[in-house]
Amino acid sequence: GNSVTQMEGPVTLSEEAFLTINCTYTATGYPSLFWYVQYPGEGLQLLLKATKADDKGSNKGFEATYRKETTSFHLEKGSVQVSDSAVYFCALSPPIYNFNKFYFGSGTKLNVKP
Amino acid sequence: NAGVTQTPKFQVLKTGQSMTLQCAQDMNHEYMSWYRQDPGMGLRLIHYSVGAGITDQGEVPNGYNVSRSTTEDFPLRLLSAAPSQTSVYFCASRPPGDEKLFFGSGTQLSVL
Repeated sequence: GNSVTQMEGPVTLSEEAFLTINCTYTATGYPSLFWYVQYPGEGLQLLLKATKADDKGSNKGFEATYRKETTSFHLEKGSVQVSDSAVYFCALSPPIYNFNKFYFGSGTKLNVKP
Repeated sequence: NAGVTQTPKFQVLKTGQSMTLQCAQDMNHEYMSWYRQDPGMGLRLIHYSVGAGITDQGEVPNGYNVSRSTTEDFPLRLLSAAPSQTSVYFCASRPPGDEKLFFGSGTQLSVL
């Protein structure tokens, strides 16, 4: 089946610390992979994506690399800010569904302290 | 440009009551979908639609009905609410040929 496993949170970091949020997946075929971010009281927003193996998605200082051999898509940022405090969701969409079905992980809450 | 609009933002129901969660988008997206968000479980797909008159089931469709009479609207109906349907519900749409989902701000539903 299709599923996404994320590290449990919350993750608490000081400003300017390095961030890693782990994400591994199980999927049919070679899915597209995504990171979405949810700020308090809002819906999810796409942060970055990668559509094939070894692709690196990046946005706003965040990066994630599609690793087929380890079925992983870990999110990283070199220096977090207080404004990065949010819940981060890893997601996949198997190609067989033509982006009509998405599978999300359980989310990882990030707290960044000044 | 409003994007994806969900109403209401909060709702409390008693077991057995019915209600409709509204979702509207003004981006002319053919694809629309409903997810529920539960603690520790992430978002799970309830139903989706690829255009007016076309709907299909997701992972957790039981207890929910949908219809799509216009491109803009995709309401989610609970015919007889149960406590297990207490959740936060998100509507999402996407443009044709694009993987990016646009989400509404959610409806927090409590069933007592």
